[in-house]
Amino acid sequence: EDQVTQSPEALRLQEGESSSLNCSYTVSGLRGLFWYRQDPGKGPEFLFTLYSAGEEKEKERLKATLTKKESFLHITAPKPEDSATYLCAVRVETSGSRLTFGEGTQLTVNP
Amino acid sequence: ETGVTQSPTHLIKTRGQQVTLRCSSQSGHNTVSWYQQALGQGPQFIFQYYREEENGRGNFPPRFSGLQFPNYSSELNVNALELDDSALYLCASSTPPVAGEQFFGPGTRLTVL
Repeated sequence: EDQVTQSPEALRLQEGESSSLNCSYTVSGLRGLFWYRQDPGKGPEFLFTLYSAGEEKEKERLKATLTKKESFLHITAPKPEDSATYLCAVRVETSGSRLTFGEGTQLTVNP
Repeated sequence: ETGVTQSPTHLIKTRGQQVTLRCSSQSGHNTVSWYQQALGQGPQFIFQYYREEENGRGNFPPRFSGLQFPNYSSELNVNALELDDSALYLCASSTPPVAGEQFFGPGTRLTVL
Protein backbone atom coordinates (compact mmCIF):
# COMPACT_ATOMS: atom_id res chain seq x y z
CA GLU A 1 0.00 0.00 0.00
CA ASP A 2 1.26 3.47 -0.87
CA GLN A 3 2.28 5.46 2.20
CA VAL A 4 3.21 9.10 2.73
CA THR A 5 4.54 10.22 6.10
CA GLN A 6 5.28 13.81 7.03
CA SER A 7 7.40 15.00 9.93
CA PRO A 8 7.33 16.74 12.24
CA GLU A 9 3.57 16.98 12.88
CA ALA A 10 4.05 20.53 14.16
CA LEU A 11 6.94 22.97 14.08
CA ARG A 12 7.37 26.32 15.79
CA LEU A 13 10.05 28.69 14.50
CA GLN A 14 11.15 32.19 15.28
CA GLU A 15 11.06 34.65 12.41
CA GLY A 16 14.29 34.21 10.43
CA GLU A 17 15.02 30.73 11.83
CA SER A 18 15.48 28.42 8.83
CA SER A 19 14.34 24.78 8.93
CA SER A 20 13.16 21.82 6.84
CA LEU A 21 10.00 19.75 6.63
CA ASN A 22 10.20 16.09 5.64
CA CYS A 23 7.96 13.93 3.47
CA SER A 24 8.94 10.27 3.22
CA TYR A 25 7.13 7.93 0.86
CA THR A 26 6.83 4.23 0.15
CA VAL A 27 5.19 3.77 -3.23
CA SER A 28 5.44 1.71 -6.39
CA GLY A 29 6.26 3.84 -9.41
CA LEU A 30 6.30 7.49 -8.39
CA ARG A 31 4.74 9.72 -11.05
CA GLY A 32 5.06 13.00 -9.17
CA LEU A 33 5.44 14.46 -5.70
CA PHE A 34 3.45 17.60 -4.90
CA TRP A 35 3.74 20.20 -2.15
CA TYR A 36 0.74 22.27 -1.09
CA ARG A 37 0.20 25.00 1.50
CA GLN A 38 -3.12 25.08 3.38
CA ASP A 39 -4.38 27.92 5.55
CA PRO A 40 -7.04 27.13 8.20
CA GLY A 41 -10.48 26.46 6.69
CA LYS A 42 -9.24 26.93 3.11
CA GLY A 43 -8.33 24.68 0.21
CA PRO A 44 -4.72 23.61 -0.44
CA GLU A 45 -2.65 26.03 -2.52
CA PHE A 46 -0.29 24.42 -5.05
CA LEU A 47 3.42 25.09 -4.47
CA PHE A 48 5.64 22.61 -6.36
CA THR A 49 5.75 19.42 -8.40
CA LEU A 50 8.85 17.20 -8.42
CA TYR A 51 9.16 14.24 -10.79
CA SER A 52 12.60 12.68 -10.40
CA ALA A 53 15.32 12.22 -7.77
CA GLY A 54 17.73 15.13 -7.70
CA GLU A 55 15.15 17.63 -8.87
CA GLU A 56 14.84 20.95 -6.99
CA LYS A 57 12.29 23.77 -7.23
CA GLU A 58 12.35 27.20 -5.56
CA LYS A 59 9.78 29.88 -4.85
CA GLU A 60 10.60 32.87 -2.66
CA ARG A 61 11.71 31.47 0.75
CA LEU A 62 10.76 27.88 -0.13
CA LYS A 63 12.87 25.21 -1.79
CA ALA A 64 11.70 21.65 -2.45
CA THR A 65 14.04 18.73 -3.11
CA LEU A 66 13.45 15.08 -3.97
CA THR A 67 15.35 11.83 -3.40
CA LYS A 68 14.24 8.25 -4.11
CA LYS A 69 12.71 7.93 -0.65
CA GLU A 70 11.81 11.40 0.56
CA SER A 71 11.30 15.05 -0.18
CA PHE A 72 12.28 18.08 1.86
CA LEU A 73 10.69 21.50 1.95
CA HIS A 74 13.35 23.95 3.09
CA ILE A 75 12.17 27.26 4.51
CA THR A 76 14.81 29.99 4.58
CA ALA A 77 14.40 32.98 6.92
CA PRO A 78 10.67 32.38 7.42
CA LYS A 79 8.20 35.16 8.15
CA PRO A 80 4.96 34.98 10.19
CA GLU A 81 2.96 34.87 6.95
CA ASP A 82 4.57 31.51 6.16
CA SER A 83 2.54 30.01 9.02
CA ALA A 84 0.28 27.32 7.56
CA THR A 85 -0.07 23.56 7.19
CA TYR A 86 2.19 22.14 4.49
CA LEU A 87 0.91 19.04 2.73
CA CYS A 88 2.85 16.55 0.66
CA ALA A 89 1.12 14.28 -1.89
CA VAL A 90 2.20 11.62 -4.38
CA ARG A 91 0.80 10.29 -7.63
CA VAL A 92 1.80 6.72 -8.49
CA GLU A 93 1.59 4.72 -11.69
CA THR A 94 -0.86 2.14 -10.28
CA SER A 95 -3.36 4.70 -8.99
CA GLY A 96 -4.03 6.75 -12.11
CA SER A 97 -5.11 10.23 -11.28
CA ARG A 98 -5.47 10.18 -7.52
CA LEU A 99 -3.20 12.06 -5.13
CA THR A 100 -2.29 10.33 -1.86
CA PHE A 101 -1.64 12.91 0.85
CA GLY A 102 0.35 12.86 4.05
CA GLU A 103 -1.11 14.23 7.27
CA GLY A 104 0.70 17.53 6.93
CA THR A 105 3.11 19.62 9.02
CA GLN A 106 1.62 22.56 10.89
CA LEU A 107 4.16 25.39 10.80
CA THR A 108 3.97 28.39 13.13
CA VAL A 109 6.43 31.27 12.69
CA ASN A 110 6.54 33.67 15.62
CA PRO A 111 7.55 37.32 15.11
CA GLU B 1 -8.23 33.23 -15.34
CA THR B 2 -10.99 32.06 -13.00
CA GLY B 3 -10.01 29.67 -10.20
CA VAL B 4 -11.94 26.72 -8.79
CA THR B 5 -15.13 27.72 -7.01
CA GLN B 6 -17.31 25.65 -4.68
CA SER B 7 -20.75 26.10 -3.16
CA PRO B 8 -22.05 26.28 -0.58
CA THR B 9 -19.31 27.41 1.81
CA HIS B 10 -20.88 25.78 4.86
CA LEU B 11 -23.68 23.29 5.30
CA ILE B 12 -25.36 21.70 8.31
CA LYS B 13 -27.37 18.50 7.85
CA THR B 14 -28.81 15.82 10.11
CA ARG B 15 -27.99 12.12 10.01
CA GLY B 16 -29.84 10.28 7.24
CA GLN B 17 -30.31 13.31 5.01
CA GLN B 18 -28.87 13.80 1.53
CA VAL B 19 -26.55 16.59 0.37
CA THR B 20 -25.31 17.98 -2.97
CA LEU B 21 -22.10 19.97 -3.23
CA ARG B 22 -21.11 21.90 -6.35
CA CYS B 23 -17.82 22.76 -8.04
CA SER B 24 -16.84 24.87 -11.03
CA SER B 25 -13.48 23.99 -12.48
CA GLN B 26 -10.69 26.42 -13.34
CA SER B 27 -10.91 27.92 -16.80
CA GLY B 28 -9.50 25.48 -19.37
CA HIS B 29 -9.55 22.46 -17.03
CA ASN B 30 -11.60 19.43 -18.09
CA THR B 31 -11.03 17.13 -15.09
CA VAL B 32 -12.49 17.39 -11.60
CA SER B 33 -11.43 15.41 -8.52
CA TRP B 34 -13.18 15.34 -5.15
CA TYR B 35 -11.47 14.87 -1.78
CA GLN B 36 -12.68 14.57 1.81
CA GLN B 37 -10.57 16.15 4.55
CA ALA B 38 -11.34 15.36 8.17
CA LEU B 39 -10.08 17.76 10.81
CA GLY B 40 -6.33 17.47 11.32
CA GLN B 41 -5.83 14.99 8.47
CA GLY B 42 -4.73 15.09 4.87
CA PRO B 43 -7.30 15.02 2.04
CA GLN B 44 -8.62 11.58 0.99
CA PHE B 45 -9.45 10.92 -2.68
CA ILE B 46 -13.15 10.21 -3.32
CA PHE B 47 -13.32 10.07 -7.14
CA GLN B 48 -12.47 11.89 -10.34
CA TYR B 49 -14.59 12.88 -13.35
CA TYR B 50 -13.30 13.29 -16.89
CA ARG B 51 -15.47 13.74 -19.98
CA GLU B 52 -18.58 13.36 -17.80
CA GLU B 53 -17.60 9.88 -16.60
CA GLU B 54 -16.08 8.59 -13.36
CA ASN B 55 -12.37 8.08 -13.95
CA GLY B 56 -11.07 6.51 -10.73
CA ARG B 57 -12.52 6.05 -7.25
CA GLY B 58 -11.11 5.85 -3.73
CA ASN B 59 -12.34 3.75 -0.79
CA PHE B 60 -15.71 5.41 -0.37
CA PRO B 61 -19.10 3.63 -0.34
CA PRO B 62 -21.62 3.92 -3.21
CA ARG B 63 -23.68 6.48 -1.29
CA PHE B 64 -20.99 8.92 -2.45
CA SER B 65 -21.76 9.68 -6.10
CA GLY B 66 -21.05 12.42 -8.57
CA LEU B 67 -21.74 14.04 -11.89
CA GLN B 68 -19.80 16.11 -14.37
CA PHE B 69 -21.55 18.43 -16.79
CA PRO B 70 -20.58 19.44 -20.36
CA ASN B 71 -19.12 22.72 -19.06
CA TYR B 72 -16.82 20.58 -16.80
CA SER B 73 -18.52 21.66 -13.57
CA SER B 74 -19.29 18.87 -11.13
CA GLU B 75 -21.51 17.76 -8.27
CA LEU B 76 -20.82 15.50 -5.30
CA ASN B 77 -23.87 13.78 -3.82
CA VAL B 78 -23.88 12.01 -0.49
CA ASN B 79 -26.90 9.95 0.56
CA ALA B 80 -27.85 8.68 4.02
CA LEU B 81 -25.47 11.03 5.81
CA GLU B 82 -23.54 9.69 8.79
CA LEU B 83 -21.85 11.62 11.59
CA ASP B 84 -18.42 10.62 10.21
CA ASP B 85 -19.22 12.40 6.95
CA SER B 86 -18.57 15.71 8.73
CA ALA B 87 -15.51 17.12 6.96
CA LEU B 88 -14.18 19.69 4.51
CA TYR B 89 -15.02 18.59 0.97
CA LEU B 90 -12.52 19.77 -1.60
CA CYS B 91 -12.81 19.94 -5.34
CA ALA B 92 -9.71 20.09 -7.54
CA SER B 93 -9.47 20.69 -11.26
CA SER B 94 -6.71 19.72 -13.66
CA THR B 95 -5.87 18.88 -17.23
CA PRO B 96 -5.07 16.29 -18.46
CA PRO B 97 -6.55 13.81 -15.96
CA VAL B 98 -3.54 11.65 -15.15
CA ALA B 99 -0.63 14.06 -15.35
CA GLY B 100 -0.28 17.63 -14.18
CA GLU B 101 -1.06 19.56 -11.06
CA GLN B 102 -4.44 19.65 -9.35
CA PHE B 103 -5.71 23.06 -8.25
CA PHE B 104 -8.08 23.15 -5.30
CA GLY B 105 -11.14 25.20 -4.51
CA PRO B 106 -11.86 26.71 -1.06
CA GLY B 107 -13.93 23.70 0.03
CA THR B 108 -17.35 23.12 1.54
CA ARG B 109 -17.51 22.53 5.29
CA LEU B 110 -20.19 19.89 5.97
CA THR B 111 -21.40 19.29 9.51
CA VAL B 112 -23.68 16.30 10.18
CA LEU B 113 -25.61 16.40 13.45
